[in-house]
Amino acid sequence: ETGVTQSPTHLIKTRGQQVTLRCSSQSGHNTVSWYQQALGQGPQFIFQYYREEENGRGNFPPRFSGLQFPNYSSELNVNALELDDSALYLCASSHSGRFGEQYFGPGTRLTVT
Amino acid sequence: DQQVKQNSPSLSVQEGRISILNCDYTNSMFDYFLWYKKYPAEGPTFLISISSIKDKNEDGRFTVFLNKSAKHLSLHIVPSQPGDSAVYFCAASVRPTNTGNQFYFGTGTSLTVIP
Repeated sequence: ETGVTQSPTHLIKTRGQQVTLRCSSQSGHNTVSWYQQALGQGPQFIFQYYREEENGRGNFPPRFSGLQFPNYSSELNVNALELDDSALYLCASSHSGRFGEQYFGPGTRLTVT
Repeated sequence: DQQVKQNSPSLSVQEGRISILNCDYTNSMFDYFLWYKKYPAEGPTFLISISSIKDKNEDGRFTVFLNKSAKHLSLHIVPSQPGDSAVYFCAASVRPTNTGNQFYFGTGTSLTVIP
């Protein structure tokens, strides 16, 4: 059973650019959530996807968008990057029938300069 | 607005003693609580959870206590081991609705267990 993987590991972008982060869910999981973790903070919920549809969203602007694919892998897209978007982005997969048991990937460290 | 708070950024405990990590929340609608453990360069790992219908849940060396009237939960680790050294996050959620199951995390407590 493979765990949650994320790519890339690290990324450096310039303010105003766009970025796409990728996540492969754990086998058998149909739900994926994305979190932003700023330095010294806990993870903050961005949004969740279930069966390719957005199924909940935190307090993030529309320039944060996502996709979930039929194989349950997922992308997080951020447009018009700002300096404050610099953070660790975590993806977590789960099965809809097993509430709470989220499995996190190692994260993508995004630096915006 | 931080709905889940961990007011102790760090904690040091001797090996073999009890570690107690605390968490407070403000939203009375929360009815499910979890603890995650995070090692450097890894994502958080689920540790233990508790539903609001219980006041205690135990799993081996780990016990979570929930005090709903005080909106407080705690994680007890007994006995503490050096391998327990990590950052611990508490998280809370409302049971799934049509808006999904959004989890709110605290800022974490860094636990160091001294051999």
